[in-house]
Amino acid sequence: NAGVTQTPKFRVLKTGQSMTLLCAQDMNHEYMYWYRQDPGMGLRLIHYSVGEGTTAKGEVPDGYNVSRLKKQNFLLGLESAAPSQTSVYFCASSYSVYPAGEYQETQYFGPGTRLLVL
Amino acid sequence: AQSVSQHNHHVILSEAASLELGCNYSYGGTVNLFWYVQYPGQHLQLLLKYFSGDPLVKGIKGFEAEFIKSKFSFNLRKPSVQWSDTAEYFCAGGHTGKLIFGQGTTLQVKP
Repeated sequence: NAGVTQTPKFRVLKTGQSMTLLCAQDMNHEYMYWYRQDPGMGLRLIHYSVGEGTTAKGEVPDGYNVSRLKKQNFLLGLESAAPSQTSVYFCASSYSVYPAGEYQETQYFGPGTRLLVL
Repeated sequence: AQSVSQHNHHVILSEAASLELGCNYSYGGTVNLFWYVQYPGQHLQLLLKYFSGDPLVKGIKGFEAEFIKSKFSFNLRKPSVQWSDTAEYFCAGGHTGKLIFGQGTTLQVKP
């Protein structure tokens, strides 16, 4: 299994350009997430999806859109890139289990995409 | 509001020293807790996790963490660090999907 993969690994954009980041997982996980990592701020959730065809906003959704047309893919779009979106973007996927009615979920992360917006 | 905070932002240790990284969470109700490690230039890897039961959790590479409910803490420990433990460490907490991460602690181990 490849686990969680992300494309591209690195990208430079000019302000106002658009791009799409692709996340793919081969673990048949229901849930997928997009985070951004900035120095001193840990990871912050941008958008997430609890299943094919469903998406929801996270902590910092402004300036981003997402789509989950297939269970294994989760796309993150930047319609008009801004320098404030310079960051490292991580995708994660997970599944949940309920042993004895207790909720348990573990997220597995991709290698990241480093984005520089000039 | 739900939050996760890590006390130490940058820790420098010599090899063989003991490690303890602090993590406090603020959550109402049940919470799943995690420690992730990010080696330089790499993605986040799961070190260990706590869902319920025994509050002392053992993870990979000799790491362990103790869940202390009364203190809202989930500190990470390792008895003897190695140079290869140099990395950034993230505590995270969540329930029903969304994880909240601490700010991260950079650990530098000097040979």
